[in-house]
Amino acid sequence: GAVVSQHPSWVICKSGTSVKIECRSLDFQATTMFWYRQFPKQSLMLMATSNEGSKATYEQGVEKDKFLINHASLTLSTLTVTSAHPEDSSFYICSASFAADTQYFGPGTRLTVL
Amino acid sequence: GENVEQHPSTLSVQEGDSAVIKCTYSDSASNYFPWYKQELGKRPQLIIDIRSNVGEKKDQRIAVTLNKTAKHFSLHITETQPEDSAVYFCAAVRDDKIIFGKGTRLHILP
Repeated sequence: GAVVSQHPSWVICKSGTSVKIECRSLDFQATTMFWYRQFPKQSLMLMATSNEGSKATYEQGVEKDKFLINHASLTLSTLTVTSAHPEDSSFYICSASFAADTQYFGPGTRLTVL
Repeated sequence: GENVEQHPSTLSVQEGDSAVIKCTYSDSASNYFPWYKQELGKRPQLIIDIRSNVGEKKDQRIAVTLNKTAKHFSLHITETQPEDSAVYFCAAVRDDKIIFGKGTRLHILP
């Protein structure tokens, strides 16, 4: 149980385009979903926290107009990287939670911006 | 906010020997401390965790200790095996927010 999926697993796009990443909890309803970014050989950095039906809470230094998060249902959250640039190339990982403390991670999406 | 320091950044141990990774945290309100193992290009996997009301926890070859007073916690892996090679992250959690350490790259030498 507690499976989280992400789609796509990898994406390559041109600079200036927008990319949408989906995060789904497959067998549970997630009250909270989290989005992380991981650059090569670095740790996971929390970007934002989202609760179903409400606006996401962004961490300091994360541009909310660039990284649009929509949490439309208890099983789906989306992250849209708008006007992507090469410096946005990274591994994006979501997680979902239905109980205090425990987060279930998705498999990640590798974004490469040319 | 919370700050988690992790050492060492790289660790090489002979197969069969023990590995120890140490972390410190700054926010005394953090009450949950998970450890994750991440293989290249994959999601972090929870391998063991400890809550602030417990001092030690063991699961087969893996153990974690917590010193709340000193704000230290450590991961111990005994009888290391080649499949233990990976990056390990400690983390501190407060109010559902996970703050990760910078990671330790563990190499198990044959």
